[in-house]
Amino acid sequence: KQEVTQIPAALSVPEGENLVLNCSFTDSAIYNLQWFRQDPGKGLTSLLLIQSSQREQTSGRLNASLDKSSGRSTLYIAASQPGDSATYLCAVYTGGFKTIFGAGTRLFVKA
Amino acid sequence: ETGVTQTPRHLVMGMTNKKSLKCEQHLGHNAMYWYKQSAKKPLELMFVYSLEERVENNSVPSRFSPECPNSSHLFLHLHTLQPEDSALYLCASSHFSGSDEKLFFGSGTQLSVL
Repeated sequence: KQEVTQIPAALSVPEGENLVLNCSFTDSAIYNLQWFRQDPGKGLTSLLLIQSSQREQTSGRLNASLDKSSGRSTLYIAASQPGDSATYLCAVYTGGFKTIFGAGTRLFVKA
Repeated sequence: ETGVTQTPRHLVMGMTNKKSLKCEQHLGHNAMYWYKQSAKKPLELMFVYSLEERVENNSVPSRFSPECPNSSHLFLHLHTLQPEDSALYLCASSHFSGSDEKLFFGSGTQLSVL
């Protein structure tokens, strides 16, 4: 059974710091991995999607990497800003309408 | 505009009420989903519809009843809910192709059952 774990559960950093969020999954048989952002009480916004054949994806200050064989992904946020404060979730797509989510990392960026 | 619209944004209901959540997608997708998000827990998949046919029902209690009248609309009918059903209910859609899937979410309905 696929399980997705995100560490740390919460993180507080000063503005301007570079940071890394971690995601691990137990079964390497995935089609893709997606990183989402969620603001309190709101829906999920897709940030980056990495196909299983890819190693990384970049969008602006965000860079996501994928090591499928070891079951790990990282989301790198450069020069963090208070507006980056949110919960970040990773999710793996295993086929047949099944996307498994982690519990998320709650990020707070202090001004 | 996310392309997936959910109403209402907030809902408070008693345990004997009947209410419905509505979701509409404007993305031309062929699959729609209901997810439940409880505090500090991962999203739980409830139902999946592909081309208006239910293809997934993850042991959800019968007090939750989904309906998909066409590929753009999805409803979740609620009746005799319990306080533990209080959660954020999220609708999502995708262009399902088997080996690739990217989910697009609505803003959710925050449900409180008293």
